[in-house]
Amino acid sequence: DVKVTQSSRYLVKRTGEKVFLECVQDMDHENMFWYRQDPGLGLRLIYFSYDVKMKEKGDIPEGYSVSREKKERFSLILESASTNQTSMYLCASSPPGYYGYTFGSGTRLTVV
Amino acid sequence: GQQVMQIPQYQHVQEGEDFTTYCNSSTTLSNIQWYKQRPGGHPVFLIQLVKSGEVKKQKRLTFQFGEAKKNSSLHITATQTTDVGTYFCAENSGGYQKVTFGTGTKLQVIP
Repeated sequence: DVKVTQSSRYLVKRTGEKVFLECVQDMDHENMFWYRQDPGLGLRLIYFSYDVKMKEKGDIPEGYSVSREKKERFSLILESASTNQTSMYLCASSPPGYYGYTFGSGTRLTVV
Repeated sequence: GQQVMQIPQYQHVQEGEDFTTYCNSSTTLSNIQWYKQRPGGHPVFLIQLVKSGEVKKQKRLTFQFGEAKKNSSLHITATQTTDVGTYFCAENSGGYQKVTFGTGTKLQVIP
């Protein structure tokens, strides 16, 4: 079974802190994605990566950056956390081509 | 960007009743994917439809892609409490296989 593992299930951070959310997949997938999920707003794409060291902005990249130094790992960085970044963050991966995503279990981030 | 709308937003059904959710787009879709997210869980990929008019079945679930490839439906026959969750349609298109998710339909099954 493909596994996408997110490092934390729950996280509480203070406003202004730099926050790292880690995601690791074990199926050698080229594509990796970060979404946030908010009630009433659905799933929104923050950033994605189709190869090591490659990254592309999604629909809501402001306030976020990403890093992909190794194929299996895709990190989401909140440069200076703000309360409006309180959300559920979901990482996903897929092989190239038109395949479904495999999601991680999510990280529920609360910024206080 | 591309918007994929789903109706209804919420649906309560009695266990044993059927359920259908609809996905609509103003533009032609490359394909349609369906995901299920259990309460407190993460989206899980169910199926992908590619061809115009395509119909696929998974046990009690029937997935359909419209002839014009602008709409899709998911029908569940004789719902069970295990069907509870939010069902999302999504389109995988554009460069790098980005997926755009629909707004989701939250299904509650009353035992």
